[in-house]
Amino acid sequence: GENVEQHPSTLSVQEGDSAVIKCTYSDSASNYFPWYKQELGKRPQLIIDIRSNVGEKKDQRIAVTLNKTAKHFSLHITETQPEDSAVYFCAATQNYGGSQGNLIFGKGTKLSVKP
Amino acid sequence: EPEVTQTPSHQVTQMGQEVILRCVPISNHLYFYWYRQILGQKVEFLVSFYNNEISEKSEIFDDQFSVERPDGSNFTLKIRSTKLEDSAMYFCATQSQWGNSPLHFGNGTRLTVT
Repeated sequence: GENVEQHPSTLSVQEGDSAVIKCTYSDSASNYFPWYKQELGKRPQLIIDIRSNVGEKKDQRIAVTLNKTAKHFSLHITETQPEDSAVYFCAATQNYGGSQGNLIFGKGTKLSVKP
Repeated sequence: EPEVTQTPSHQVTQMGQEVILRCVPISNHLYFYWYRQILGQKVEFLVSFYNNEISEKSEIFDDQFSVERPDGSNFTLKIRSTKLEDSAMYFCATQSQWGNSPLHFGNGTRLTVT
């Protein structure tokens, strides 16, 4: 089955700096890679996702890159702000038909942005 | 924006008791999921449900767990005989029938087994 590894487990940056979180996956059949942000005690919220037919996707300060050959994908946050502080989870799954299948999550990265 | 609603927000139960966690999906969603998150750990897939049957389940989802959609609206997760290690946040997630649509998570039910 799929296994997702995520690094680093904690990341501390100064406000305005960039943050990069990296994930690797094991199942070459996986084709959908979402990223979730989870604030303390709250639900995971989708912030960006990428499918295996593209290599990069950007949404304002957030971007995700995917290297299918190496089976890794990364989240890039530029111009970080204190409100970006949260735990970020990557996930991977096979997407077949209308279902996302099951999401296999990484262990999470606790991002702290210091003012 | 429509939301997935979960009740209760917090459930405390004694070991060996049965619990039922409830989820009201977004109205036009057809795919339903349960995930759990032990405190401080990653989110783990439990089960997916479509067309009134389980489509996939993880090894965590053993015989103590069951899911159903009894009245066409609520989607429930039952744990027959709770164990201490079942203590976790349980998230329901739903997805529309449209291809490539994202999962929508509920706010979760915190289950504490004493």
